[in-house]
Amino acid sequence: KAGVTQTPRYLIKTRGQQVTLSCSPISGHRSVSWYQQTPGQGLQFLFEYFSETQRNKGNFPGRFSGRQFSNSRSEMNVSTLELGDSALYLCASSLASGGTTNEKLFFGSGTQLSVL
Amino acid sequence: GQSLEQPSEVTAVEGAIVQINCTYQTSGFYGLSWYQQHDGGAPTFLSYNALDGLEETGRFSSFLSRSDSYGYLLLQELQMKDSASYFCAVSASKIIFGSGTRLSIRP
Repeated sequence: KAGVTQTPRYLIKTRGQQVTLSCSPISGHRSVSWYQQTPGQGLQFLFEYFSETQRNKGNFPGRFSGRQFSNSRSEMNVSTLELGDSALYLCASSLASGGTTNEKLFFGSGTQLSVL
Repeated sequence: GQSLEQPSEVTAVEGAIVQINCTYQTSGFYGLSWYQQHDGGAPTFLSYNALDGLEETGRFSSFLSRSDSYGYLLLQELQMKDSASYFCAVSASKIIFGSGTRLSIRP
């Protein structure tokens, strides 16, 4: 069974631009979560989608948005990029059923975003 | 709100035992997880505790005390490949991660 796939692996953008990151979960997984990771900051929760609905959201500005498609694939968009958005963006999928969180997340390798 | 605290760095000797602690504050607690992340790699799941007590998986064990909002990860017979960052994570309405503990192992 294929793992969680994130594309692209690396991305370089300039301030003010926007970016879209893609995540394909493990087959059968309906929950997709996104995290931002910066050195020393751990993994900061962005949002979680389940069956095309955003179920939870972290404390990030509205410039960060996402969506999930009917095949469970998810995209994350960041508009008006700032230097501080430079980070590793990780996607994770799980077997979470409706209304609950699942304890085991499977992570992709991430997209390393650099904003210049 | 939700918060987790774990040490930022721990150093241990190859073959020894090390314990990484995690304390948390949250509402609506389901369980505590541990993840390992090597430099440049993705986090990988190690263990999950929903109930009080010790869960053992090979050289790794994880403990939870819900009344104390406390858990730990115990690594035995340390190997050089165990050098990595270890994250505790609380499952509540969403899964929130701690800042991670960087484990360095000396020969």
